[in-house]
Order: sequence, then structure tokens, then C-alpha cells
Amino acid sequence: DAGVIQSPRHEVTEMGQEVTLRCKPISGHDYLFWYRQTMMRGLELLIYFNNNVPIDDSGMPEDRFSAKMPNASFSTLKIQPSEPRDSAVYFCASASGTLNPSTDTQYFGPGTRLTVL
Amino acid sequence: AQKVTQAQTEISVVEKEDVTLDCVYETRDTTYYLFWYKQPPSGELVFLIRRNSFDEQNEISGRYSWNFQKSTSSFNFTITASQVVDSAVYFCALSETTSGSRLTFGEGTQLTVNP
Repeated sequence: DAGVIQSPRHEVTEMGQEVTLRCKPISGHDYLFWYRQTMMRGLELLIYFNNNVPIDDSGMPEDRFSAKMPNASFSTLKIQPSEPRDSAVYFCASASGTLNPSTDTQYFGPGTRLTVL
Repeated sequence: AQKVTQAQTEISVVEKEDVTLDCVYETRDTTYYLFWYKQPPSGELVFLIRRNSFDEQNEISGRYSWNFQKSTSSFNFTITASQVVDSAVYFCALSETTSGSRLTFGEGTQLTVNP
């Protein structure tokens, strides 16, 4: 079975440019999460969706960040305009949510390494 | 507020040694879940185990074992007879039922197994 798929795996862009990260969750999973990993802050949750609806976006750093989930098999995280401090690894994860969402295991994608020059 | 502490930033061992990675957590919930993830040099996050707060039985999976003690709020991870392929960053994480699906991660422990 395919796991969580993320694209691109690596992205290098210049400050001020728009960046779009993409995620395809595991089929049948109702929950999708976006995390960011940096040396300074570790792994932090940015936003998560349940059945394509954003539930908690309190971790989104600022208005430059936006996330959408137009359908059950696709989500995007957009940064516009990008800044050097956005450089990080961005992970997408999904969970089935069949029991309690707090209990279900989150399975992570391979991540997108973003570098903003 | 939930918090996870992994006091060991880096551990270095020689192959075949046993190694224990510590994890201490804080929570006000009576129902919560604890996880361990492995992040090898390739960068992906690999799920290892999930435990709920009502199950304090230790668990063993091959060379991996986990010791959950509510009395000390700890969920330690032991690798027996370590191998070079075990070299990775290991993360402990906590999920409270009252905080939705939020996973709070510890800072991670970098384990290096030398041949």
C-alpha cells in the first residue's frame, strides 16, 4: 500500500516567491496534518484537517501561510511570499480516525525540504 | 499543557551494546497516548509504537522494548544489541484526548551506533 506522498521532495526558491507543497494522504484516512521541522523549534504542528475541513490552524505561523484540502486525496500548503526563515522540512501526515483521532497513529510522508534564499 | 522531554540530546554506542532512550512527559489528562518515532538519516519519520495510558505493560518487539511507568511519567525505549542501522533520531510524542489530534513531540535523541 502506498504511504503518504509528498511533492516536491526538495524545493529551493528565492525570497518573495510563492511556494506550494503538496500532499496525498493514505487512502481512507480522514485526518491530515501538516508539520514543520526546524533545528530551533523541532517538530511543530501547523494545521490539521478532518474530512477535508480545517480543524485547528493555531500553529500556522502567520498570514503568509495557507493550507487547503479540496478533496480527500489532496492537500496543499502554500507560503506567499516566502522568507528565509521559512526554510525547514515540512511533513504531511495522515491518520484513519476510525477510533478516536487522538489515538490513531499518524503516518508521515517523506517530507519536503524547503530552502528559501 | 502537555510537554515531552527527551533529556538525552545525543547518545553514541558501539555496535551490540544495549541503549536506553529516555522520555518524560507531562499531562493533566487521565487518558492519553504515547508514541515513539524513528527518523533515519534519510529524513522520513517512521512510526514505532503507540501506548495508551491505561496499559502499563511493557512491550517487546524484536530488539526493541518499551517501559511505560505512570508513576514516574516515563516511557523509555531500549534497543538491545544495537546495530549500525539503528543510527537515527528518535522522537517521543504525546497525544491527549482533550487536545484533539495534536501530537506534541520531544526534542529527539540522536543515536549513533558505531561499528
